Amino acid sequence: GENVEQHPSTLSVQEGDSAVIKCTYSDSASNYFPWYKQELGKGPQLIIDIRSNVGEKKDQRIAVTLNKTAKHFSLHITETQPEDSAVYFCAASGGSYIPTFGRGTSLIVHP
Amino acid sequence: DGGITQSPKYLFRKEGQNVTLSCEQNLNHDAMYWYRQDPGQGLRLIYYSQIVNDFQKGDIAEGYSVSREKKESFPLTVTSAQKNPTAFYLCASTLSGASYEQYFGPGTRLTVT
Repeated sequence: GENVEQHPSTLSVQEGDSAVIKCTYSDSASNYFPWYKQELGKGPQLIIDIRSNVGEKKDQRIAVTLNKTAKHFSLHITETQPEDSAVYFCAASGGSYIPTFGRGTSLIVHP
Repeated sequence: DGGITQSPKYLFRKEGQNVTLSCEQNLNHDAMYWYRQDPGQGLRLIYYSQIVNDFQKGDIAEGYSVSREKKESFPLTVTSAQKNPTAFYLCASTLSGASYEQYFGPGTRLTVT
């Protein structure tokens, strides 16, 4: 089955800095790669996703890049703000449509 | 507002008791899912249902049971056979079993002592 590795487990940055979270996956058949943000005590919310026919996607301060050859994808957050502090999960899905999640990255943005 | 509701937010039970977690959605989604979340771990799939009156085991189904009698409801029962039931439980739904985007509820934190 699919295996998704996510790094780092914790990321601490100063407000205004950029943050990058990286994920690798094992199943070359995976073709949908979402990123979720989970605030403390709440359910995850989809913040951006990318499909395998696209290399990069941006939405204001967040962007996701995908390298299918290397089987890795990354989340980039620019101009971080304290409200960006949360746990971020990557995931990969293929023909079953059921995602395999990474273990999560706790992002801490210091004011 | 359309969405997924899970109740209660916090649940406490004694060891040896079965407990049922509620999940209701008014998104008119066909498929629903239950995940378990432990500290430092990703979301692990317990059970999923792609259509009413049908469900499949996920990766960690042992000690859990589900039913899907109505499209909008997918309750999860944590039985006494589950060896380590204390966790944060998340319910999710997708438009269909062939849809990628998952919508999550707010979760239920279950503590068993």
